[in-house]
Amino acid sequence: QVHLVQSGAEVKKPGSSVKVPCKIFGGSSTDSFIFTWVRQAPGQGLEWMGTIDYMAGTAVYAQQIQGRVSITADESTRTVFLHLRSVTPQDTAVYYCARDGESALDSWGQGTMVTVSP
Amino acid sequence: DFVMTQSPDSLAVSLGERATINCKSSQSVLNTSNNKNYLAWYQQKPGQPPKLLIYWASTRSSGVPDRFSGSGSGTEFTLTITRLQAADVAIYYCQQYNGPQRTFGQGTRVEIK
Repeated sequence: QVHLVQSGAEVKKPGSSVKVPCKIFGGSSTDSFIFTWVRQAPGQGLEWMGTIDYMAGTAVYAQQIQGRVSITADESTRTVFLHLRSVTPQDTAVYYCARDGESALDSWGQGTMVTVSP
Repeated sequence: DFVMTQSPDSLAVSLGERATINCKSSQSVLNTSNNKNYLAWYQQKPGQPPKLLIYWASTRSSGVPDRFSGSGSGTEFTLTITRLQAADVAIYYCQQYNGPQRTFGQGTRVEIK
């Protein structure tokens, strides 16, 4: 069983960058090590941002934010990171990491609230 | 790109009755290599992350009550909640994961009538 732990809330200025960690606990060598980031703006639905193959280090991103987003993984600390650049108030949202695979998004972190405000 | 459209946007159902949510994909989510539909359903309650209910269109995730069932294939899918309970009040999302991109439906809010 994989357990994902995310950091606390962040407040950022417009035009800055934010890096959101997601620490992985548990899991075995036979588990899926693909992780997806999803965000949810206040009162809105779920938006897929991107997915990383943890072992291969390759990632794919949503077209609407490609160029501003990167997802990386640090095997030494078992942490996946979402890095979002040039943020605007429209990036204010709860950011979730989730374990991805054949059985879809089966384990979720608790979410990190990122607020972008002047 | 996939577009997932859920209907209705919201519905109110009496306790003990059935709730039915539809999800339509702009492209087939059937993976022809293994004949599985890469369609999932999630339940989200306020202040919580989504919870996986159904994957492969009709397989219940571990611990999910059998009141929740998924059906459909190709581009049209249904989530059915039988014997609705107060604890089922939530927003429900469908999601496709056939290929490298993922796409969510806009969500359906389920309330008690």
